[in-house]
Amino acid sequence: KQEVTQIPAALSVPEGENLVLNCSFTDSAIYNLQWFRQDPGKGLTSLLLIQSSQREQTSGRLNASLDKSSGRSTLYIAASQPGDSATYLCAVIGSNFNKFYFGSGTKLNVKP
Amino acid sequence: GAVVSQHPSRVICKSGTSVKIECRSLDFQATTMFWYRQFPKQSLMLMATSNEGSKATYEQGVEKDKFLINHASLTLSTLTVTSAHPEDSSFYICSAHISTEAFFGQGTRLTVV
Repeated sequence: KQEVTQIPAALSVPEGENLVLNCSFTDSAIYNLQWFRQDPGKGLTSLLLIQSSQREQTSGRLNASLDKSSGRSTLYIAASQPGDSATYLCAVIGSNFNKFYFGSGTKLNVKP
Repeated sequence: GAVVSQHPSRVICKSGTSVKIECRSLDFQATTMFWYRQFPKQSLMLMATSNEGSKATYEQGVEKDKFLINHASLTLSTLTVTSAHPEDSSFYICSAHISTEAFFGQGTRLTVV
């Protein structure tokens, strides 16, 4: 069974810092990996989708990488801002397309 | 991006009553939708897969008679929590996929008193 782990569970940084969030998964037979943002009491907002054939995706200050063979992905946030404070979740979907497996999330706090 | 709308965003109900949550795909058709439950400070737990025109597929440990799912059209799935109890209080989120990219509703905070 696929297991997804996110480290660290929580992170507090001063505004302006660059940071990296980590995601690992046990079964490398994934179809894609998706990073989400969740604000308190809200649903999930998709940030980046990386297909298994891709190595990275970029959107604005966000860059996500994928190393499928080692079962790892990182989300890099450049020049962090207080508005980036949220919980970040990674999820993988297998080749059967029928189920997402979520990590437990990293709660980020960017201090002004 | 694609939009999935979930309603209501919050609901408070008395113990023993039933609550219906709606999940709609607004600008695309979804033959399959997914229902998740999220406990405080924890990640999403898949409850069931809702299939248009057929029975839902429930994950192990999820009571079918407790959490009724109906997917009557290509844009609407409903989750009904029957005879709700305080332990059913949680955050429920639905999702739908376009290809393998997931789009989520805003979530429903259910409080059973």
